[in-house]
Amino acid sequence: GQQVMQIPQYQHVQEGEDFTTYCNSSTTLSNIQWYKQRPGGHPVFLIQLVKSGEVKKQKRLTFQFGEAKKNSSLHITATQTTDVGTYFCAGPGGATNKLIFGTGTLLAVQP
Amino acid sequence: DAGITQSPRHKVTETGTPVTLRCHQTENHRYMYWYRQDPGHGLRLIHYSYGVKDTDKGEVSDGYSVSRSKTEDFLLTLESATSSQTSVYFCAISGGRGGDEQFFGPGTRLTVL
Repeated sequence: GQQVMQIPQYQHVQEGEDFTTYCNSSTTLSNIQWYKQRPGGHPVFLIQLVKSGEVKKQKRLTFQFGEAKKNSSLHITATQTTDVGTYFCAGPGGATNKLIFGTGTLLAVQP
Repeated sequence: DAGITQSPRHKVTETGTPVTLRCHQTENHRYMYWYRQDPGHGLRLIHYSYGVKDTDKGEVSDGYSVSRSKTEDFLLTLESATSSQTSVYFCAISGGRGGDEQFFGPGTRLTVL
């Protein structure tokens, strides 16, 4: 079945360093979504990318959708302690209104 | 945050007992979902609903059943809880067609002894 993989599973950075997480789908996606989950919290929607090669920015966060629409990345510039959490990508799961979530990347930021 | 509540927020139960988790929304969204979250597995879909009395299975539906008799409520039932069902359960809602953003509830931490 359809799979969405993320790497790395875990990343520990010093505050101020950059961070990138990568998402790869086994199938072509019509769109991709990104979510953030703070420790002890629930996932919160960040953004949706729809177009091939699309790049969107939210302050220090840059999201990219691959040309083949099978991969995506999230890059955080100059991490802050508030960036701590798990970042998930998610793509539509078949013909129905479902999302297949990636396994997530846990980001730890040391002050 | 979207108007989604889950109850109970925490529950400890024993193997073999039935358990029902409730998700309630005030957003009048059409779609509702139940996920479980376990270390190393991310979020896995258990069941979802695309309308009142319309439900379908997700990727990890064995041992779970659901019901949706009203737009605002989506119930998840473990008929006979097992230790492998110890997890954090999240309810989510979305309003549109495929790919629309999902809004998550606060989660229920279930421990089966």
